[in-house]
Amino acid sequence: SQTIHQWPATLVQPVGSPLSLECTVEGTSNPNLYWYRQAAGRGLQLLFYSVGIGQISSEVPQNLSASRPQDRQFILSSKKLLLSDSGFYLCAWSWGEETQYFGPGTRLLVL
Amino acid sequence: GNSVTQMEGPVTLSEEAFLTINCTYTATGYPSLFWYVQYPGEGLQLLLKATKADDKGSNKGFEATYRKETTSFHLEKGSVQVSDSAVYFCALSGNSGGSNYKLTFGKGTLLTVNP
Repeated sequence: SQTIHQWPATLVQPVGSPLSLECTVEGTSNPNLYWYRQAAGRGLQLLFYSVGIGQISSEVPQNLSASRPQDRQFILSSKKLLLSDSGFYLCAWSWGEETQYFGPGTRLLVL
Repeated sequence: GNSVTQMEGPVTLSEEAFLTINCTYTATGYPSLFWYVQYPGEGLQLLLKATKADDKGSNKGFEATYRKETTSFHLEKGSVQVSDSAVYFCALSGNSGGSNYKLTFGKGTLLTVNP
């Protein structure tokens, strides 16, 4: 069966510091991968998606970037965090059809 | 573009009460429709889905019927439990090319069930 991991689970970072969040999927090959952000009390916003290694599509202009160095690894990064980057970051995968399966999330607090 | 509107709540019910969370959508074509559930501090879990008009998705006592004529996908449960307390998200899919689909989410509805 497939599983999706995210780490770290929780992160507290100062404004201006770099960020790296990691997502890995097990039990499938060539999945589509997604990064979402969920701000407090709000819905989910799609940030990036990837259909293959090195292929990244950005949904909204922002302070973040994404990379896919391996088939089942998806990384969310920032060079300098802003206060507005605080939120709950969710990674998801899909394969061959529409249903997306989500990871446990990373809670980021920028101070 | 695609959009999803769901009742924002919060919704507070007593155990064994009947639950309805309304969801309507705007989309081109014939999207698939989903309900996801998010328990406190966790990621989203797929609750149920329907892929074409008049389909009924069901799971764990929850049901939703894909109504094309009213562009709706309301979530219902006949008797809620305390363990159903969570945030519920309605979503629809749209094809963005090849095998990739994007999900458009509603803003979520917080459900609290009291004993």
